[in-house]
Amino acid sequence: EPEVTQTPSHQVTQMGQEVILRCVPISNHLYFYWYRQILGQKVEFLVSFYNNEISEKSEIFDDQFSVERPDGSNFTLKIRSTKLEDSAMYFCASSERGAGSFSLGKETQYFGPGTRLLVL
Amino acid sequence: SQQGEEDPQALSIQEGENATMNCSYKTSINNLQWYRQNSGRGLVHLILIRSNEREKHSGRLRVTLDTSKKSSSLLITASRAADTASYFCATDADQGAQKLVFGQGTRLTINP
Repeated sequence: EPEVTQTPSHQVTQMGQEVILRCVPISNHLYFYWYRQILGQKVEFLVSFYNNEISEKSEIFDDQFSVERPDGSNFTLKIRSTKLEDSAMYFCASSERGAGSFSLGKETQYFGPGTRLLVL
Repeated sequence: SQQGEEDPQALSIQEGENATMNCSYKTSINNLQWYRQNSGRGLVHLILIRSNEREKHSGRLRVTLDTSKKSSSLLITASRAADTASYFCATDADQGAQKLVFGQGTRLTINP
């Protein structure tokens, strides 16, 4: 069964360094997402991406964050200058369609296994 | 409570018993989804229930949705040790928003 994959599974970096988290969404999906989960807290939405542009973003997703679909398969999240509080599990997700009453269940978001980011 | 809040926060039962978890939300929704997360791992999609549905089954899972009360429940019947995990409900909004809003989750422990 197709699944979302993410690399690396773990990333340790120094504060102020740039990190790029990579995701390969399910191949026929058109909508892509990043979420994060700080240890012990709830999963939080960061950004959604459709048709090569950001469709929605949260307050967390400030100028330090960017997303890109550099080719037909990868979807990346870049944090330009990491802070201690960026330490979290980052999840990529994808869906065949976007939310809406006519999506017939195809809006289900499938999540990858996550990248655990630790900023020292 | 915030959008997508589960209760109880933690639930511990004996193997074979049924487990019921509840979720409440605030805004109108298109659908509500339940996910499972094993400790430190990814989110596994369990079931999606649409706003015009009242009940849905999938194997040992039964989900109900009451849009008048803005609440949902997840019932796991005949629980197994492998069901030990955190369970989250997640809602979207009916204004075309793409994001899912997750609750804090219920930590379910099945004792052998």
